[in-house]
Amino acid sequence: AQTVTQSQPEMSVQEAETVTLSCTYDTSESDYYLFWYKQPPSRQMILVIRQEAYKQQNATENRFSVNFQKAAKSFSLKISDSQLGDAAMYFCAYRSAGNEKLTFGTGTRLTIIP
Amino acid sequence: GAVVSQHPSRVICKSGTSVKIECRSLDFQATTMFWYRQFPKQSLMLMATSNEGSKATYEQGVEKDKFLINHASLTLSTLTVTSAHPEDSSFYICSARDLRGVRTDTQYFGPGTRLTVL
Repeated sequence: AQTVTQSQPEMSVQEAETVTLSCTYDTSESDYYLFWYKQPPSRQMILVIRQEAYKQQNATENRFSVNFQKAAKSFSLKISDSQLGDAAMYFCAYRSAGNEKLTFGTGTRLTIIP
Repeated sequence: GAVVSQHPSRVICKSGTSVKIECRSLDFQATTMFWYRQFPKQSLMLMATSNEGSKATYEQGVEKDKFLINHASLTLSTLTVTSAHPEDSSFYICSARDLRGVRTDTQYFGPGTRLTVL
């Protein structure tokens, strides 16, 4: 079974600085998708960024980018120029191409220090 | 685009009653919707996968007779918690898969429903 591990339960960063959240996963599949979701205090899950495993290029969305290392099964999220609104729980998620189910990590709570 | 709504956002009910939660995809069609449960400070746990026009597929350990799921149209799925008890109190979240061209592999989430059973 696939597993997703987020080893940092909590992280904090100074406003305007850069922070990296870690995620590793275990799978025997070769075709899959990886996601980062953000859950602010409102509890609404918001898609931050997605990565297809077959693409070597790392995905970017404005201030958010990933470092996808397929061989190492690592999928970290980098947030540049951190803003107060970035404070939230961040969940890493995995989905096999042949399966609709998402497997979530345990989450990392990110605090932004003004 | 890809907006998912849930109703109600909060519900308080007495033990033994049934509660229905609606999940709607507002601007897209979703053949598949998912129901999750989230306990405080924990991750999301998939309860069931709901397919339009067919029976839901439940995850191991989830009682299908207690958590009734109906997906009658491409934009609506409902979760009914039958004979609710205090241990059913939780945050329930639905998501829907967008069938449109660009990101058919992505799930979009509703805002969640907080259920409190007294």
